[in-house]
Amino acid sequence: AQSVSQHNHHVILSEAASLELGCNYSYGGTVNLFWYVQYPGQHLQLLLKYFSGDPLVKGIKGFEAEFIKSKFSFNLRKPSVQWSDTAEYFCAVNVHTGRRALTFGSGTRLQVQP
Amino acid sequence: SQTIHQWPATLVQPVGSPLSLECTVEGTSNPNLYWYRQAAGRGLQLLFYSVGIGQISSEVPQNLSASRPQDRQFILSSKKLLLSDSGFYLCAWSVPKPGQGNSPLHFGNGTRLTVT
Repeated sequence: AQSVSQHNHHVILSEAASLELGCNYSYGGTVNLFWYVQYPGQHLQLLLKYFSGDPLVKGIKGFEAEFIKSKFSFNLRKPSVQWSDTAEYFCAVNVHTGRRALTFGSGTRLQVQP
Repeated sequence: SQTIHQWPATLVQPVGSPLSLECTVEGTSNPNLYWYRQAAGRGLQLLFYSVGIGQISSEVPQNLSASRPQDRQFILSSKKLLLSDSGFYLCAWSVPKPGQGNSPLHFGNGTRLTVT
């Protein structure tokens, strides 16, 4: 069964710092990859997704993620964070066969200090 | 446009009492439906998913059950709640794409369940 690892549980950054959140998955076949964000008091929403094609994916609010198949990784990046990026970020993976559901990582709580 | 409704938003129930959380989706047909539980520091745990009426897949053996009596209705139930059932429960839907994995999930606002 597939699994997702997010190694950073809690990240604290100052505004304008660069962000990279790690995500690794375990599955050797074709996958769809997602990053979701949950702002304080709000529901989970999609940040970006990778299905196929260009491994560098652009999402909303200046976020991007790069799918590196050889490393089984899908790290999330943003060149310059803002205080409003304070939220919890979840990586998720879905495989093309079998189980019809996303497997989520444990999440990374990002705190941006003004 | 599609919308997802989940209720109640918060619920406090005593140990041993029954549970029924309801989720409905509007604006789409034959969605895949999901129940997840979110626990602090543990991310989202898939509990159940359904690809059609009456079709339920259980991911975690526990005292919870799910039912899909109608195409766009998904219910999470328990006959007797345990303290460990406390948590934040999320319903979600997605568009089925056979052979192509999953389209993005759309989440409801969640139900905060406290078992006392």
